[in-house]
This record gives sequence, structure tokens and C-alpha cells, in this order.
Amino acid sequence: NAGVMQNPRHLVRRRGQEARLRCSPMKGHSHVYWYRQLPEEGLKFMVYLQKENIIDESGMPKERFSAEFPKEGPSILRIQQVVRGDSAAYFCASSHGQSSGNTIYFGEGSWLTVV
Amino acid sequence: QQQVKQSPQSLIVQKGGISIINCAYENTAFDYFPWYQQFPGKGPALLIAIRPDVSEKKEGRFTISFNKSAKQFSLHIMDSQPGDSATYFCAASKDNRLAFGKGNQVVVIP
Repeated sequence: NAGVMQNPRHLVRRRGQEARLRCSPMKGHSHVYWYRQLPEEGLKFMVYLQKENIIDESGMPKERFSAEFPKEGPSILRIQQVVRGDSAAYFCASSHGQSSGNTIYFGEGSWLTVV
Repeated sequence: QQQVKQSPQSLIVQKGGISIINCAYENTAFDYFPWYQQFPGKGPALLIAIRPDVSEKKEGRFTISFNKSAKQFSLHIMDSQPGDSATYFCAASKDNRLAFGKGNQVVVIP
């Protein structure tokens, strides 16, 4: 009965380090999304992945950020050389299909703090 | 560029009252409009959603009203309870890419 599982829930990194956030979608879901939420803001779309494919990465910064969803294992959002502005909550979501109207379920989030 | 605009920013309601949150969107390609509820430290949870071919949808104490010509939709929470105190986000979707409003903090006082 597991929903979307994210880890770690909280992560502290020093400037210049790398952050890796992991996400396991709901059982049976093959579509994964990553969103970023800054304090007092709504969620912003970053990237949409299916197994082994990036469908849409239009919301992801061109540099330092990358995402993957391998054939086996969780989806990974990777942030290299973190800066203070990367401090945010990162939410993973998953859905069963692609068409609008498929319910999108969110995980509990990973809170990244860059010091 | 904010694709979905949400108002008011915050709302205080007496227990038993009605909470109303409004959203407006620009892109007529959006074809699915969900509302999410978020508690502090938690992920957003889907509350209720509507498609643009329907003008109203009700689920329990929650109702969405949708005005396609005005490109506006709203959430009504009837008989508001202290447990409803949370942040509410409207969103608009095309092909499962969600554009969120900035959120509305609702506080229900006993």
C-alpha cells in the first residue's frame, strides 16, 4: 500500500557538494515527475520521465541538474555543485498514464538545505 | 510568468463557515484542473478535480465551480472545520504537466 516514496526526507549539503534525491513511484506507475517548491511558493514543474526516457525537461535548469529513471530502481534527481538558491523542497510525483486526468500522486518531499 | 493566478493569499474562516478560493488561468490548452491540499512538512494531496466540459463538481464538503469563458475556477469548502486548516493549491494541467498557483493558506478558527 505504499504511495510515492522519497528519500532522504531531509538533506543538508555544503555549497559545492552534490545532492541526490531518490523517488520510487507508486506500484504500477511508470510516469514520474519532479517538482520544486520554494518557500511561500507553489510547485514548479521540473522534469517528466518514463522508464529510461526523459519526456520533458523544460522546467529543469540547464546546468547542474539532471534526472534519470532507470529500468531498474528509483528515479534520481541529481544536483551538482549546489548553491544556496537550490535550497527548496523537491517533490516527486507519479501517475499511471500520460493523458490529462490521470491522477498524479505526490510523495512527501525531500527538503534540501544548502549551507 | 505565472500561468495560474490564485487569490486570496490567505483566508481566516470561522468553524462552520464557507472558504472560497479563486483561480484564473491563461492557457486555453489546459484540460484538467485539480486542487491540492498541503499540510506543513507534507506533500500535496489531491482534493478534487474538474474537466472544462463540466461547470461544477461536488465531493462531500468540497465543490469546484468552473467558468470556461472567463478562464476561472474556484474551490468552495462548506462547513469548514479546524482540520481543514492547510494550504490549498489550484493547478491546471496539459498532458500531465501541472502548473500550480502560489497557494492559499486557510485557517479555520473554532
